[in-house]
Amino acid sequence: DQQVKQNSPSLSVQEGRISILNCDYTNSMFDYFLWYKKYPAEGPTFLISISSIKDKNEDGRFTVFLNKSAKHLSLHIVPSQPGDSAVYFCAAYSGAGSYQLTFGKGTKLSVIP
Amino acid sequence: DVKVTQSSRYLVKRTGEKVFLECVQDMDHENMFWYRQDPGLGLRLIYFSYDVKMKEKGDIPEGYSVSREKKERFSLILESASTNQTSMYLCASSLVPLYGYTFGSGTRLTVV
Repeated sequence: DQQVKQNSPSLSVQEGRISILNCDYTNSMFDYFLWYKKYPAEGPTFLISISSIKDKNEDGRFTVFLNKSAKHLSLHIVPSQPGDSAVYFCAAYSGAGSYQLTFGKGTKLSVIP
Repeated sequence: DVKVTQSSRYLVKRTGEKVFLECVQDMDHENMFWYRQDPGLGLRLIYFSYDVKMKEKGDIPEGYSVSREKKERFSLILESASTNQTSMYLCASSLVPLYGYTFGSGTRLTVV
């Protein structure tokens, strides 16, 4: 059973507009969430994270929003740039006793110049 | 700069061969992981290790084994390579998952 879901396999956005990538989770024990970005033929790189005690975290053009009641988080990229074209993975962590992150399947973002 | 290094970027092997994928990290991390990435399936955990000589099965361990003789090195072994093991293999390490993973650049394995 998939505990972290990214329901949109792909997303296309015009350069300069906002990109919104969504992630849903089912495990209420998750208390920390991360986003990773992956270019082809490279390993994923950490982008931004959020703790469950917050509902928003911002880092430059990237903002992550967390709605715990809906078990939903989203990554906003404003403004989108062609270099943002990549696969984005949402990941979740359930805290003490767990050694691993649980990843979603990823969303491929294409930013069109 | 901290690093996770995978020994090969691209590898082509024949069906039935025994294949070794090597991963080395220089961050003194306790935890190391092997994933494979396939289109539409995302990142799937094969095995992980939380200490030297310790290993745990992930979601898709069949056809694979691992070895962790030293803290910095985590090897993935395909006992008898098959075409359905053609994939991108990613190694990662972490101190604690809360701080995220550091991934290697990946090994694109093709089994013919």
